[in-house]
Amino acid sequence: GAVVSQHPSRVICKSGTSVKIECRSLDFQATTMFWYRQFPKQSLMLMATSNEGSKATYEQGVEKDKFLINHASLTLSTLTVTSAHPEDSSFYICSARYQQGDEQFFGPGTRLTVL
Amino acid sequence: GDSVTQMEGPVTLSEEAFLTINCTYTATGYPSLFWYVQYPGEGLQLLLKATKADDKGSNKGFEATYRKETTSFHLEKGSVQVSDSAVYFCALFSGGYNKLIFGAGTRLAVHP
Repeated sequence: GAVVSQHPSRVICKSGTSVKIECRSLDFQATTMFWYRQFPKQSLMLMATSNEGSKATYEQGVEKDKFLINHASLTLSTLTVTSAHPEDSSFYICSARYQQGDEQFFGPGTRLTVL
Repeated sequence: GDSVTQMEGPVTLSEEAFLTINCTYTATGYPSLFWYVQYPGEGLQLLLKATKADDKGSNKGFEATYRKETTSFHLEKGSVQVSDSAVYFCALFSGGYNKLIFGAGTRLAVHP
């Protein structure tokens, strides 16, 4: 299957700082990328859907000013957690697909720890 | 709305035991159904899928059959290995919501 990478795999930051997580589709062009959040021992919660070149669509209850998503190219989407706080500590996973109806391919995840 | 319900874990088995993880769904229309596996500290990997009723998805000894009449997609494996220890997620693709909807996940622990 296609490969999706995330960087960094782990990040530790101080409260109040901002953290950027990158999601890349390595061998295909992703018109749509998805960002999920996973709490310990729980399922994935979809945060937002981003289409290349347009604004992200956020799920209900997700603060768009807190979680900034940019999908500037067909192979890269970024999630920036602004003014991070300890409650933002979580496992963030992205996925990507070529076009609607296609399979989504998941990245390996980024573990964020906010001190 | 569309939803997925899967059996609570953890499921603890001895090596070579038979595995069943139940999954049922609620959806309008005819969604595609998936099983994903997540190994410790990693993202999700697609294990198998089925796109229409009576389809059987299979991979690495795992199987699941799309049962429209019972709205189920139970995961089975005849003989589990220690390396199968992971969290398994049942999911459907909701055409109405245009997104994947996941179950809560079932943790499987296989002991030698």
